Amino acid sequence: KNEVEQSPQNLTAQEGEFITINCSYSVGISALHWLQQHPGGGIVSLFMLSSGKKKHGRLIATINIQEKHSSLHITASHPRDSAVYICAVVQGAQKLVFGQGTRLTINP
Amino acid sequence: SQTIHQWPATLVQPVGSPLSLECTVEGTSNPNLYWYRQAAGRGLQLLFYSVGIGQISSEVPQNLSASRPQDRQFILSSKKLLLSDSGFYLCAWSGTGWNYGYTFGSGTRLTVV
Repeated sequence: KNEVEQSPQNLTAQEGEFITINCSYSVGISALHWLQQHPGGGIVSLFMLSSGKKKHGRLIATINIQEKHSSLHITASHPRDSAVYICAVVQGAQKLVFGQGTRLTINP
Repeated sequence: SQTIHQWPATLVQPVGSPLSLECTVEGTSNPNLYWYRQAAGRGLQLLFYSVGIGQISSEVPQNLSASRPQDRQFILSSKKLLLSDSGFYLCAWSGTGWNYGYTFGSGTRLTVV
């Protein structure tokens, strides 16, 4: 079993829908990252969380430390949101352990 | 502002040839530096990390090595590439302390033929 599990692995939705991607982890962490990887491969850091909730534009990330669970939400989804979203947890000397990623496709 | 440069963007190399990928960081000092690899259809995996000049930790035994000759330079190398070395290689840096974010390079797509 992977230390970081994401669900779903693939998600297709229509433009405007509310999107939720989930991440569960089984190890102790100091922080959790949500990353976005576009088709070219480049990765952008969206959020870093250690507790509670963060919001940036249409993106919202939450974390429940006790339940070892985090969610990434996208409101009013748009085709340009299509990408792979990756959950990663920080262990030890800031080493990241990655989930397998969720491939999101938003159709117009 | 801090920036990270990684090159080349794509590379096709024959089996048995050497490899050198370079990553440099600007606008920060004493960063933690990382090399990650993403094999086709798989998640990212940490290969090496460095907390200072000449300090390299390897996470996974493999055909690769890393070096940090300067504070803001991180190099990934191989003496003889294998087909299994193909993948997408990402360099990243972070500040010291768990509450610093990560910044990723643009990546190098390596194909070993």
